[in-house]
Amino acid sequence: SQTIHQWPATLVQPVGSPLSLECTVEGTSNPNLYWYRQAAGRGLQLLFYSVGIGQISSEVPQNLSASRPQDRQFILSSKKLLLSDSGFYLCAWIQGSSYNEQFFGPGTRLTVL
Amino acid sequence: GDSVTQMEGPVTLSEEAFLTINCTYTATGYPSLFWYVQYPGEGLQLLLKATKADDKGSNKGFEATYRKETTSFHLEKGSVQVSDSAVYFCALTHTDKLIFGTGTRLQVFP
Repeated sequence: SQTIHQWPATLVQPVGSPLSLECTVEGTSNPNLYWYRQAAGRGLQLLFYSVGIGQISSEVPQNLSASRPQDRQFILSSKKLLLSDSGFYLCAWIQGSSYNEQFFGPGTRLTVL
Repeated sequence: GDSVTQMEGPVTLSEEAFLTINCTYTATGYPSLFWYVQYPGEGLQLLLKATKADDKGSNKGFEATYRKETTSFHLEKGSVQVSDSAVYFCALTHTDKLIFGTGTRLQVFP
């Protein structure tokens, strides 16, 4: 069966510090991968998605970046965090077409102080 | 561009009340439509989906019908439970990604 992992589960970082959030998927190959951010009391904002290794599409210009070094690994990074980067970060994957179910990870809660 | 509009919450109901959460969409072509649910502190999980006009998705007592003439996909449940308290997201497919609504928080009290 397929599973998706995210870590860390929670993170508190000072403004200006770097960020690295990791997402890995097990039990599937060549999935489409997605990073979302959910700010407090708000909906989901798609940040990045990837249809293959090294292929990253950015949805919103900001100080975040994403990388996909391996087929089932998706990393969200920042060189310098802003207060506005606080939120709940969700990784998700789809096998094949977007008409299929999108599976979400448990999320990482990031607080920037 | 394609978009999804949901009713603003929170929706507050007593246990066993009837639930409707409205969702309308704007899209070119023929998207698939989804309802996802997010329980407190968790990621999202698929609740139901419909892939073409007049399809009805159903799961756990929830239902939604794909209405192309009104571009709607309203979520309904005949009798809600306290355990249904969560945030509900309507979504549609768009090429390689999903477009989500802003979510509607449902609070059910005993």
